[in-house]
Amino acid sequence: EVQLVESGGHSVQPGGSLRLSCAASGFTFSSHWMHWVRQVPGKGLVWISAISGDGSSTNYADSVKGRFTISRDNAKNTLFLQMNSLRAEDTAVYYCTRANSGYDHWGQGTLVTVSS
Amino acid sequence: EIVLTQSPATLSLSPGDRATVSCRASQSVTSYLAWYQQKPGQVPRLLIFDVSIRATGTPARFSGRGSGTDFTLTISSVEPEDFAVYYCQQRSSWPLTFGGGTKVEI
Repeated sequence: EVQLVESGGHSVQPGGSLRLSCAASGFTFSSHWMHWVRQVPGKGLVWISAISGDGSSTNYADSVKGRFTISRDNAKNTLFLQMNSLRAEDTAVYYCTRANSGYDHWGQGTLVTVSS
Repeated sequence: EIVLTQSPATLSLSPGDRATVSCRASQSVTSYLAWYQQKPGQVPRLLIFDVSIRATGTPARFSGRGSGTDFTLTISSVEPEDFAVYYCQQRSSWPLTFGGGTKVEI
């Protein structure tokens, strides 16, 4: 069974940093692009970042480019999102997703709150 | 950036009605268009990918069609469990984008 389990979300002050993790199991992790998608509670879905299976290719939304870094450790089947210079507008639930002609599996999400 | 515009924002229906949700792209996404369903308090679920291919577990009452810039998601006969928010998403070009969502309500 495919499982994606995010962790690392909590409350942080503006300008602070957080590192989200997503532990994957039940599939060949290195064979899949992995993405982060966020959602402000009660609002829509927003794509944030993606990384290729071998980690050699990454992409970012303009809203986070230069502040967020996506990475992966295929030996540990783990996806990461390093978030720096956090802003109030980064407050959201962050989902880890597996790409397979669409996001066929999602984690349960981890809440990041940026507030003073 | 490709902008996806969904309409209507809200669709008020009764069980058994036909539901049609539209997704219009600001430029062609060829056939790289997916639909997701999200119920309150739940994680989004992939319904359809590549315009018309139903994901595993998606009931046959859900169908997708379209090409280029105009796409539709149709629920042939809405069941009580179908009341949710529906999002389209394109993976044709970076940055990937989602539509704003359509709420299908009773």
